[in-house]
Amino acid sequence: DTGVSQDPRHKITKRGQNVTFRCDPISEHNRLYWYRQTLGQGPEFLTYFQNEAQLEKSRLLSDRFSAERPKGSFSTLEIQRTEQGDSAMYLCASSFVAGFPHEQFFGPGTRLTVL
Amino acid sequence: GDSVTQMEGPVTLSEEAFLTINCTYTATGYPSLFWYVQYPGEGLQLLLKATKADDKGSNKGFEATYRKETTSFHLEKGSVQVSDSAVYFCALTLNTNAGKSTFGDGTTLTVKP
Repeated sequence: DTGVSQDPRHKITKRGQNVTFRCDPISEHNRLYWYRQTLGQGPEFLTYFQNEAQLEKSRLLSDRFSAERPKGSFSTLEIQRTEQGDSAMYLCASSFVAGFPHEQFFGPGTRLTVL
Repeated sequence: GDSVTQMEGPVTLSEEAFLTINCTYTATGYPSLFWYVQYPGEGLQLLLKATKADDKGSNKGFEATYRKETTSFHLEKGSVQVSDSAVYFCALTLNTNAGKSTFGDGTTLTVKP
């Protein structure tokens, strides 16, 4: 098992464009989380899935953001009509719900820069 | 709501110095507590954890004790190394079904030879 992977690692886009990020969790993990981390801050929760069901969304997740986990495996996070304020590191984490209480394994992140 | 407050950084120490990074929390329920470390360009790695009051988490010479009476989880290491230079995040997760984490803003540690 190679851990949680994210693609791409870096994305530069122009304001107004749409972007999509992918996260591949650890294979046996049934929970998947998305966080956003801005410079000098800790990660902030965006949303999470249990299997394919999206169970909670933060108020930070505006209607320009959408996340999916179609078959309960990988997940995508799409941002439509990007704004400069969307520039951040987007982190994905996974966990196994019956395992140690809420120990999450993080991927390397996707750094988004909106010009 | 839930929150985590860490001591402000950056922290600069000489090699072999003693390290303390303070962390306090407020939680609406009963949390598990974590310290994560982030090296430049990388994701977060779990450093240590504690799930109930008076538990001590330890790993790689780092320790932290879950103090419910003071709502604290301070990170300590007796002798830091240059390789410990990184950003350290304190976090809590409520022991509920969601399992989402609330993080502090991080403390940057630089260890000089």
